[in-house]
Amino acid sequence: KQEVTQIPAALSVPEGENLVLNCSFTDSAIYNLQWFRQDPGKGLTSLLLIQSSQREQTSGRLNASLDKSSGRSTLYIAASQPGDSATYLCAVRDTGRRALTFGSGTRLQVQP
Amino acid sequence: GAVVSQHPSWVICKSGTSVKIECRSLDFQATTMFWYRQFPKQSLMLMATSNEGSKATYEQGVEKDKFLINHASLTLSTLTVTSAHPEDSSFYICSARDKSSGGETGYTFGSGTRLTVV
Repeated sequence: KQEVTQIPAALSVPEGENLVLNCSFTDSAIYNLQWFRQDPGKGLTSLLLIQSSQREQTSGRLNASLDKSSGRSTLYIAASQPGDSATYLCAVRDTGRRALTFGSGTRLQVQP
Repeated sequence: GAVVSQHPSWVICKSGTSVKIECRSLDFQATTMFWYRQFPKQSLMLMATSNEGSKATYEQGVEKDKFLINHASLTLSTLTVTSAHPEDSSFYICSARDKSSGGETGYTFGSGTRLTVV
C-alpha cells in the first residue's frame, strides 16, 4: 500500500527566503505526482503535476522535482511571500490506480 | 481550466438527519469522480470512487449504506451522509479529471464542504 510522507510538518520563515518542502513515497510505481496548495477551510489548488517520466516542472516561483527511483519529490519556493502561507500537499497517483494518495502536508507560514 | 463546483460549502445538521453534498464538473464531463474526507490537521483520505451509471466503489472501512453516492449524469455526483453522527463531522471534498483536454492533466478539486453534526 502506497504511503506518502511530507517533511517538515510545519515551517515558518521570514519573507524573501527560498525554501524546500519534501515529499517521499514508498512505492515507486507511480503514474504521476501532484503538488497542491490548501488554504484554511478551503479546497485544493493544483500547483504542479509531474509525470513519472519527468524530472521536474516549473511554474513561476515554484519548481518541483521528482526522483522516482528513490521515491522522493521536492517543492522549491523561491523568494517566499506572505501570500504563500498555506498548507502544501503532495499526492501520488499509482500506476493502475485512478485515485490519489496524499501526504499529511506541510503548513507554511511566511512572516512579513 | 477544468472547474469542479461543490455545494454546500458548509452545513450544520442535527444528529440522525441526512445531508446531501453535490459535486459538479462545470465545463467537462466526468465519468469518474472521487470523494475524500479530511479530519482536522490530517490529510485527505479517499472514501469512494463514483462511477457514472454504475455503483460506487468504496474504500475499506467506509460504510456504503451510510455514505450514499449517486452519479446519475456525466457532470454530477452526490454524496449523502445518512443518519449523521457527530463523528461524521469532517471536511468532504470531491475531485475529477478532464480527460478531453488532451495530454495528461491532473485532478481538479471542488472547494469542499465542512459538515458539522450537532
